[in-house]
Amino acid sequence: QVTLRESGPALVKPTQTLTLTCTFSGFSLSTSAMCVSWVRQAPGKALEWLALIDWDDDKWFSSSLKTRLTISKDTPANEVVLTLANMDPVDTATYYCARTLGYGSERRIDHWGQGTLVTVSS
Amino acid sequence: SAVLTQPPSMSVAPGQTARITCGGYDVGSKSVHWYQHKAGQAPVLVIYADRDRPSGIPERFSGSISGNTATLTISRVEAGDEADFYCQLWDTSTDEAVFGGGTKLTVL
Repeated sequence: QVTLRESGPALVKPTQTLTLTCTFSGFSLSTSAMCVSWVRQAPGKALEWLALIDWDDDKWFSSSLKTRLTISKDTPANEVVLTLANMDPVDTATYYCARTLGYGSERRIDHWGQGTLVTVSS
Repeated sequence: SAVLTQPPSMSVAPGQTARITCGGYDVGSKSVHWYQHKAGQAPVLVIYADRDRPSGIPERFSGSISGNTATLTISRVEAGDEADFYCQLWDTSTDEAVFGGGTKLTVL
């Protein structure tokens, strides 16, 4: 059974760096075609993809946020960490981590965490 | 990055068919996936690779592609289908995933 769980602060101040951890089970990020993505949803807005890391430690980022994002993995610990620098109130959103399968343009998200709400406010 | 256009909302009576479209850049040459997102829950993959259904997804959900428009069809709509639906593809020109703006499906 695949499960993913996001953890991190519920409240961050403007200009701070957000660090979120995704802890997962039921699969390994050492297996070919396995990836983990981060996706967020601001209140009343659409889903927005942020970043992906694959089994080979290759990383991809949203073109609009790439200067602020980092993603890393700890394969033995089954964890993926996302950081988003210079937080702003517009970054207030529910952040999801999600297992992503496939290669190249075939990649799809097949399991999602429940999400964690992050509010940016002073 | 690519822009995927979906109708913001759609209403359908129970038992009828809902067709949700997703159009935009090069949709016809990409692999399109669809997600159902109910309020307060995690999104669920309902169609992948244009027309394939994950295990556990009812046959009432189907996907198709025509030209540069992907369509999610929900037959015999039920009250429990009410949700936001998103299309998604991987934009190979910018190497990033892109979601459509979402369609809110209301079951009358």
